[in-house]
Amino acid sequence: NAGVTQTPKFRILKIGQSMTLQCTQDMNHNYMYWYRQDPGMGLKLIYYSVGAGITDKGEVPNGYNVSRSTTEDFPLRLELAAPSQTSVYFCASSYSITEKLFFGSGTQLSVL
Amino acid sequence: KQEVTQIPAALSVPEGENLVLNCSFTDSAIYNLQWFRQDPGKGLTSLLLIQSSQREQTSGRLNASLDKSSGRSTLYIAASQPGDSATYLCAVRGGSGTYKYIFGTGTRLKVLA
Repeated sequence: NAGVTQTPKFRILKIGQSMTLQCTQDMNHNYMYWYRQDPGMGLKLIYYSVGAGITDKGEVPNGYNVSRSTTEDFPLRLELAAPSQTSVYFCASSYSITEKLFFGSGTQLSVL
Repeated sequence: KQEVTQIPAALSVPEGENLVLNCSFTDSAIYNLQWFRQDPGKGLTSLLLIQSSQREQTSGRLNASLDKSSGRSTLYIAASQPGDSATYLCAVRGGSGTYKYIFGTGTRLKVLA
């Protein structure tokens, strides 16, 4: 069991570039989440999904897009990267709303 | 809107001391509360999950309590060790009609040898 796997671990983007952060889980979890963590600011929810084909916005969705075509995968797309998107991004998943939340190891993204 | 606050933001204690970390939330209509540990440059590791119907959960030297009516949870760490040094975050699922997790900003703990 690999748990929640995120790739890449580090990435540097130029302003205006686009990229996709990959997240996959092998625990058959229904709920998947994308968070960003800025220094001293805690975690902010970007997007979440309650199952394949169903996604919804979190607290800070602007500049991001997601899709959930399978139970396992929940990629996060950054369009037209901006310096404000410099952050550490975490993917997380849980089986249900009463079960534990499991996190990936994160992607550190810098937009210069 | 659910808000989660953790006090203190940072804490430094000598090895062997028992300590309490605090978490408060504004909406008591929660499904559950989870405590996490985060080491520098790493992801979050779940420590304890307390369901809304429970009062406490224990794992080894860790004990977490939940008082929904007052909107508070505490994480008790017994006989602290340098290896306990990390940031501890609490997250609340539910409140304000949502089943999403809302995180506090964490308490940065340093245990001195």
